[in-house]
Amino acid sequence: DAKTTQPPSMDCAEGRAANLPCNHSTISGNEYVYWYRQIHSQGPQYIIHGLKNNETNEMASLIITEDRKSSTLILPHATLRDTAVYYCIVRVADAYVSRAAGNKLTFGGGTRVLVKP
Amino acid sequence: GAVVSQHPSRVICKSGTSVKIECRSLDFQATTMFWYRQFPKQSLMLMATSNEGSKATYEQGVEKDKFLINHASLTLSTLTVTSAHPEDSSFYICSARPPLLGQGGSGYTFGSGTRLTVV
Repeated sequence: DAKTTQPPSMDCAEGRAANLPCNHSTISGNEYVYWYRQIHSQGPQYIIHGLKNNETNEMASLIITEDRKSSTLILPHATLRDTAVYYCIVRVADAYVSRAAGNKLTFGGGTRVLVKP
Repeated sequence: GAVVSQHPSRVICKSGTSVKIECRSLDFQATTMFWYRQFPKQSLMLMATSNEGSKATYEQGVEKDKFLINHASLTLSTLTVTSAHPEDSSFYICSARPPLLGQGGSGYTFGSGTRLTVV
C-alpha cells in the first residue's frame, strides 16, 4: 500500500473548520484514501473514505486533489470532542485482495489534533 | 451500525501467566479480523490477521507461539498472550470489516481496546 505523510500535530479553534492535510504521492489507481481517528484510550473510529471524487458525510468532508496525490479532511465545525489522533490511510480496493490477505489497514503516525476553546 | 465488542477492557496479570482477549462482531459476520498492539504515544501496529476456520497470518516479528489467535466462528476471534511478561504490557485492539459497500468496501470497525498490564 502507498505510504502517507501527515503533519505530526496541529491545533484548531473550537467552532472553526479544521483542515487536515495528507500526502500520498505514490498512490495507485486502485487505492482508496481512508481517514480514521483515535480518541485517547479508545479504538480507532472510521470517518470517511474516497477514491477520486470529493466525499461528505455527517462527520466530515474529504477533498482529494485531481492528481490524487494529496487529500484534505475537513471537520466543518470542530468541537472539543474532536480532539484525537487522525490517521490518513491508503488501501487497495477489496476486489484486488485475496480473502487470505485480508486487506489489512496499516497505520502511520497520524496527526494529533488539539481543539482549543 | 456495525459494532465490535472487545473484552476485557482492562486486565492486570502476573508475569508468566496467560491472558485471553475476546473480540466479537455483534451484528455482522466477520470472516477476517485483525489484531493490533499500541504502545504509549505510538501508532497502531498490526500483529496478525485472523481468518475464520484457518490459521492466522502473523506480521513479521510477531511470535505466533506467544500470541495465539483463534477464530473459531464468524463472530468471535480470541488473542491469548501466553507467558506474559512486563514488556507485553500494551493496548491491544481488534478490528473487523462489515460486509462490503461498493468497490472500496466499508470502513473497518474497531473494538474499544484492552489495556494489558503485566506485573
